[in-house]
Amino acid sequence: QVQLQESGPGLVKPSETLSLSCTVSGGSISSGGYYWSWIRQHPGKGLEWIGYIYNSGTAYYNPSLKSRVTISADTSKNQFSLKLSSVTAADTAVYYCARGDEDSSDHWGQGTLVTVSS
Amino acid sequence: SYEVTQPPSVSVSPGQTARITCSGDALPKKYAYWYQQKSGQAPVMVIFEDSKRPSGIPERFSGSSSGTMATLIISGAQVDDEADYYCFSADSSGNHKVFGGGTKLTVL
Repeated sequence: QVQLQESGPGLVKPSETLSLSCTVSGGSISSGGYYWSWIRQHPGKGLEWIGYIYNSGTAYYNPSLKSRVTISADTSKNQFSLKLSSVTAADTAVYYCARGDEDSSDHWGQGTLVTVSS
Repeated sequence: SYEVTQPPSVSVSPGQTARITCSGDALPKKYAYWYQQKSGQAPVMVIFEDSKRPSGIPERFSGSSSGTMATLIISGAQVDDEADYYCFSADSSGNHKVFGGGTKLTVL
């Protein structure tokens, strides 16, 4: 059974870059056919799709975040990562990593809260 | 930007059928997926490709889609089904993926 675990700083200063990693166990991120996604949820709000990576290098992003987002994969560590630049308080959210296909995610991490504050 | 729209809340009594709708212009061409999120937990997919149920999801969960509207149906809703439910789909290009705003289901 594949498991995903988010990790990274819980507090980021405004204008800095948010960096999170997702460690995958029970499966390889380089095995074919899977899409590795990041989704976030603002406090008390709904879900927002950030983007995904597949084939260990091809990424698609939410157009509203595209200019600030980078998703990458490190197959040696069986991890994929999220970088979100120039953060503001509006980027405070629970960030989830997930695995699925091109259209959905069927395995999710437990989520990690990132607060943007000075 | 593309959007899919859900009602903010739905309320039913235990044993009744709950229906949660999701409307979007691309739904005639794109599948809808449904996620259940209980308080403090990560979302769980309960329906994929409009009407298919993942293993482990109770049979009372079903889905349908017609035209620009997809529907999640919970037959014989139970108190344990109280949660937020999110529709997920994509625009006609498939590249812009979106969640609906979520529907809070109350069973009491």
